[in-house]
Amino acid sequence: GNSVTQMEGPVTLSEEAFLTINCTYTATGYPSLFWYVQYPGEGLQLLLKATKADDKGSNKGFEATYRKETTSFHLEKGSVQVSDSAVYFCASYQTGANNLFFGTGTRLTVIP
Amino acid sequence: GAVVSQHPSRVICKSGTSVKIECRSLDFQATTMFWYRQFPKKSLMLMATSNEGSKATYEQGVEKDKFLINHASLTLSTLTVTSAHPEDSSFYICSARDRVSRRTDTQYFGPGTRLTVL
Repeated sequence: GNSVTQMEGPVTLSEEAFLTINCTYTATGYPSLFWYVQYPGEGLQLLLKATKADDKGSNKGFEATYRKETTSFHLEKGSVQVSDSAVYFCASYQTGANNLFFGTGTRLTVIP
Repeated sequence: GAVVSQHPSRVICKSGTSVKIECRSLDFQATTMFWYRQFPKKSLMLMATSNEGSKATYEQGVEKDKFLINHASLTLSTLTVTSAHPEDSSFYICSARDRVSRRTDTQYFGPGTRLTVL
């Protein structure tokens, strides 16, 4: 079946530190992969996505590469800012399943 | 663009009462809306898929008679929690798929509704 596993938080980093949030997936085929971000008091927003193996999604300095061999889609950012503090969700979508499968979410707090 | 709103953002009710949550797509038409439930430290779990003008499709284990879903127009879906109990306390999130978009994997999410049943 389809599932997504992401690293548990919370994660606390100092400003300008390097960020990695791990995400792995299980699927019967080759799903599309997503990272969503939820800022305090707001809905989930699509951060980036990748639809096939070796694709790299990027947005706002965040990157994630679709690794078929390790079934992973780890989120990275070279230098985090206080404004990046939010909850990050990894998700997969497989055509035919008709819905997104989410990880548990990872809360990131960036301190000045 | 692609904004989804939910109302109310927070609701507290007594056990045994019913609560209605609205999900609206503000600047696009949504033939399909999704209702999720989020438990503390858990992932979002899909409860049901709501299609405009037809009955909702519920996920396994979700009680249809308890969680009533109505998608009467292209911009509004409602979730009614009937005879609420404390175990129904949770964070409910809706999302909507743009009718025009051909990308079936693109969903726009509302800000969520925090339900507390006393």
